Amino acid sequence: DQQVKQNSPSLSVQEGRISILNCDYTNSMFDYFLWYKKYPAEGPTFLISISSIKDKNEDGRFTVFLNKSAKHLSLHIVPSQPGDSAVYFCAASAPGSSNTGKLIFGQGTTLQVKP
Amino acid sequence: NAGVTQTPKFQVLKTGQSMTLQCAQDMNHEYMSWYRQDPGMGLRLIHYSVGAGITDQGEVPNGYNVSRSTTEDFPLRLLSAAPSQTSVYFCASSYGGAGEKLFFGSGTQLSVL
Repeated sequence: DQQVKQNSPSLSVQEGRISILNCDYTNSMFDYFLWYKKYPAEGPTFLISISSIKDKNEDGRFTVFLNKSAKHLSLHIVPSQPGDSAVYFCAASAPGSSNTGKLIFGQGTTLQVKP
Repeated sequence: NAGVTQTPKFQVLKTGQSMTLQCAQDMNHEYMSWYRQDPGMGLRLIHYSVGAGITDQGEVPNGYNVSRSTTEDFPLRLLSAAPSQTSVYFCASSYGGAGEKLFFGSGTQLSVL
C-alpha cells in the first residue's frame, strides 16, 4: 500500500514559468515532509522540507505547501529553469524513535523545463 | 569531505551469485540505510541502522543482509542474487533526528542475469 503517492509521472513546463509538483499521502501521523531532487546517475539530494505544524515553507525559488486536511502537499518552482530538469521525489517521516531517519518516498515526477 | 561513498558504481551478476555493496560515510552520522529504486516504485527502504551494532528491516528486506560494526560502514549483502534484485541501490545517512534529511550516495546500478 503506497503511503506517499505522486500521481503525475512527468511534467513539462516552459523556462520562466511555474512548475507545480504534487504529492498525496495517506498516513495522518506523518510529521515531516521532504522533497528531493535527483539527476541521472546521481543520488537524490535534499531540496526543501516542511513540518506538519506549518502550511508553507519557502527557500528561494522553491516553496512547499501543505494541506493537512486534504493530505496533500505541493512543490512550486518559480521561475523554472532548465537546470531544474530532474526527477523530484516527495518523502514523509512518522514520529517516534522507531521511525528515526526512515523516509517513505513517492514514485517520483520527472520535470522537464524547456528553454 | 566525501559524504556518503558507495562502491561499486556498476555490477553485473549471474543468478545465484553473492556480492556485497559497500557504503561508507564520514559525517559521523548515527543513522544509515539502504534503498532500492525501481521504475514507477520510487525509493523503497531495504534495511536501516540507528547505530553501530543495531540493524532492522525496512519495507523490502528479503534477499538482503546487513551488519553495522562501525559508525562509518554499512555494507549490504546479496546472498543469492535473483533477477528481481536488478535495481539501483542507494545508501543514505543522517543524524537521525525528527525530520532530519538524508544524505545519499551516488548509487550502485546492479543487473542480475
